[in-house]
Parts: sequence; structure tokens; C-alpha cells
Amino acid sequence: SAVISQKPSRDICQRGTSLTIQCQVDSQVTMMFWYRQQPGQSLTLIATANQGSEATYESGFVIDKFPISRPNLTFSTLTVSNMSPEDSSIYLCSVEDEAGLNYGYTFGSGTRLTVV
Amino acid sequence: SQQGEEDPQALSIQEGENATMNCSYKTSINNLQWYRQNSGRGLVHLILIRSNEREKHSGRLRVTLDTSKKSSSLLITASRAADTASYFCATDSWGKLQFGAGTQVVVTP
Repeated sequence: SAVISQKPSRDICQRGTSLTIQCQVDSQVTMMFWYRQQPGQSLTLIATANQGSEATYESGFVIDKFPISRPNLTFSTLTVSNMSPEDSSIYLCSVEDEAGLNYGYTFGSGTRLTVV
Repeated sequence: SQQGEEDPQALSIQEGENATMNCSYKTSINNLQWYRQNSGRGLVHLILIRSNEREKHSGRLRVTLDTSKKSSSLLITASRAADTASYFCATDSWGKLQFGAGTQVVVTP
């Protein structure tokens, strides 16, 4: 199955600043997914990132707040812009495991963001 | 938005006991998947059951799916302390995963 390297693993940021999270996959994948997990909550899909086109955002998420780049088939970034304490969450990237027998999804190890 | 509900929200058992958690969902699905998350880290894929399957086994895991009731269950047999984690079901509807609220399982020695 695919292996994802996600950075940073955690960060503490000042309100009003931005943080860019990176995900590197060890194989080429068509779609990459970005999720948010607020404290004590489940995962919510932010957007789907395809290489060569704009990301598709879910209801409640906008590009100005969460710009995404997908420069090639193995890499994507998510930026959390103009942060407020409400953005404190774990952010995770994911890819569909097309090579694995179970055809589930592989997740990065997550970025724990605290905004102060 | 979340696809459905999981129950119980929390489960505390002793090593060797079985743990059962349930998941309900709302829309038609291609498959349903179960994931484990340790201490707020990344999710680990456990098992996938397709919409035309009713039961699936993987090691100590047993998953059932009832599409008429839009529900699934995950059974962990002979639990171990290392099974302590949060467990999430997720429905896959044409490439989009929607997660349940999760069940927090604590296994005490």
C-alpha cells in the first residue's frame, strides 16, 4: 500500500498567520484528499485535490481559507490561512490505495495544529 | 457532514473480552470501511466490506453489513490492551469517504 509522509506533525501558531501542510506519497496517485478532525470529533472532508486542476471543496470550506496545491501526482499542500483558535484541529491527507488488496484509503500521520 | 452514527460512543472492556460497535448510515454506498486511530494520529485501515457482501473476517475482526437496515457492526474478538483506540466506520460513495462519529475503546489488562 501507499506510504504518505506528512509534515509538520504538529505546530503551535499565532492567530492571523498561515500554516502550510505537506503530504508526499511514495507512488503516483490520481486524487488526494484533505480532512479536518476537530478536537474529540470525527473526520470531515475539506477538499479533493487532482493534479492539474483546481481542488474541489466540500460545503463549508472555501479556497481562500484552505488553498490547496497539487503540482504533481505524488505531492500536495494544504494551507490554513488567517488562522483563528477555531482552526485548532488535526489535519490529515489521504489517498486511495489502489494497489492494496483491501482497496481502502491510506492516511498520513496527521498535523496537530494549535492556534493561540 | 457525517454520514451516520456509531454506538456506543465509548466502550471499556477487559483483555480477552469481545468488543462490538455499530455503525448506521443514511445513503446508498459502494462499500463500508472501518479504521482505527491511536491517540489522535493518522488512521489505519482495518477492513472493507462491499455493498454486496454481508460478512467479512480479518484475523480477530469480524464485520457485518446489512444494507436493508443501512447498518454495520465491527466485532473485535479476544481483545488486547493494544486494541485501545478510537474506531471509525466510513462509507464510500463513489470515491467520497464519510466518517461516523467513532467509538472510543479502552481495553484494560
